[in-house]
Amino acid sequence: EAGVTQFPSHSVIEKGQTVTLRCDPISGHDNLYWYRRVMGKEIKFLLHFVKESKQDESGMPNNRFLAERTGGTYSTLKVQPAELEDSGVYFCASSQDRWGNDGYTFGSGTRLTVV
Amino acid sequence: AQSVTQPDIHITVSEGASLELRCNYSYGATPYLFWYVQSPGQGLQLLLKYFSGDTLVQGIKGFEAEFKRSQSSFNLRKPSVHWSDAAEYFCAVGILTGGGNKLTFGTGTQLKVEL
Repeated sequence: EAGVTQFPSHSVIEKGQTVTLRCDPISGHDNLYWYRRVMGKEIKFLLHFVKESKQDESGMPNNRFLAERTGGTYSTLKVQPAELEDSGVYFCASSQDRWGNDGYTFGSGTRLTVV
Repeated sequence: AQSVTQPDIHITVSEGASLELRCNYSYGATPYLFWYVQSPGQGLQLLLKYFSGDTLVQGIKGFEAEFKRSQSSFNLRKPSVHWSDAAEYFCAVGILTGGGNKLTFGTGTQLKVEL
């Protein structure tokens, strides 16, 4: 079974530019999550999709971040315009059920650097 | 507010020695608890989880964790560490929302193994 795939693995962009991160969950997993780790700090929840619907987006930092999940399959997270404080590692995770009974499978993350 | 504390930022142990990584949580309800490991260049891998039942949980790679409600702790242990265990370890608690669970992570413990 293929795992959760994220790309790019690394992205370096200038302040003010736009970046789009992509996550392909495990096939059949309705639940998809985005998390972020800013350097030196804890991993923080951004949002949760159930199929194509946003179940919980309470962790999204501001309106420069836009997440979508077209057709309930892959998801994208767009940052526009990027700021220096957006630098960090963005993780995607998926699960079969919304309670995490299968423990959530994480991708390898996208390391975003804004210069 | 819910929180997870991993008091040790860095730990160094000799190969073959025993290991205990500490985790304390603050959460008003019965917690869903997780331990994840991240090796360099890899995603977060689930080591074990606790939802209910037996408070001593066995995981992969020879790890175990014990849930102690009275101490609000979920410490991770391994009787004999291997050099390949060098990685960063994260404790997390699942926070129940109306739509499911979202994870609150500790800041992580970086494990170094001396040969």
